[in-house]
Amino acid sequence: DTGVSQNPRHKITKRGQNVTFRCDPISEHNRLYWYRQTLGQGPEFLTYFQNEAQLEKSRLLSDRFSAERPKGSFSTLEIQRTEQGDSAMYLCASSSPSDYSPLHFGNGTRLTVT
Amino acid sequence: AQTVTQSQPEMSVQEAETVTLSCTYDTSESDYYLFWYKQPPSRQMILVIRQEAYKQQNATENRFSVNFQKAAKSFSLKISDSQLGDAAMYFCAYRSAGAQKLVFGQGTRLTINP
Repeated sequence: DTGVSQNPRHKITKRGQNVTFRCDPISEHNRLYWYRQTLGQGPEFLTYFQNEAQLEKSRLLSDRFSAERPKGSFSTLEIQRTEQGDSAMYLCASSSPSDYSPLHFGNGTRLTVT
Repeated sequence: AQTVTQSQPEMSVQEAETVTLSCTYDTSESDYYLFWYKQPPSRQMILVIRQEAYKQQNATENRFSVNFQKAAKSFSLKISDSQLGDAAMYFCAYRSAGAQKLVFGQGTRLTINP
């Protein structure tokens, strides 16, 4: 169990640029989640995958955000035309199929939009 | 929509003493799960303890225990024999049974004084 891996750890970009983050979940976990955490707040749910299917998306996820998990393994989160309000920590988590399974979080990708 | 409230932005405790972190939630559902997560500085979020709503017995994990009051919609975390390594942000979280989204509170920053 190598844990949930997220890359990059930090990303600084200029407003209007596109950015993409990657998440590698724990290998036997078929569920994958993206959350966003702003300073001093708890994480907010963005989206959820079961295998390759994106089953739920938050209304927080505007049209500029897209997430994929093409082969049911790693996932990418892309933000197009970044805005300063997108600056946050983006957390990925994975879990096994049981409803009672806890989420295992990665270290996150900190995005700063200048 | 469910909400989770942590009314204590910061708490501090002397090493080896006991501290209780508060959490209340709002839901109209009867079947759900509750969690406490710990987020140390610059480190990943990890599960501390979890509780199934249909279980009356309070969950315990070593020095960590909860006081689950379903009627009052309260889920407090008690940390006994506090250790320096317990210093972190603590988040209370709610999940509906059958749903995947975790709803987090705002967090409580716990400081351990040596």
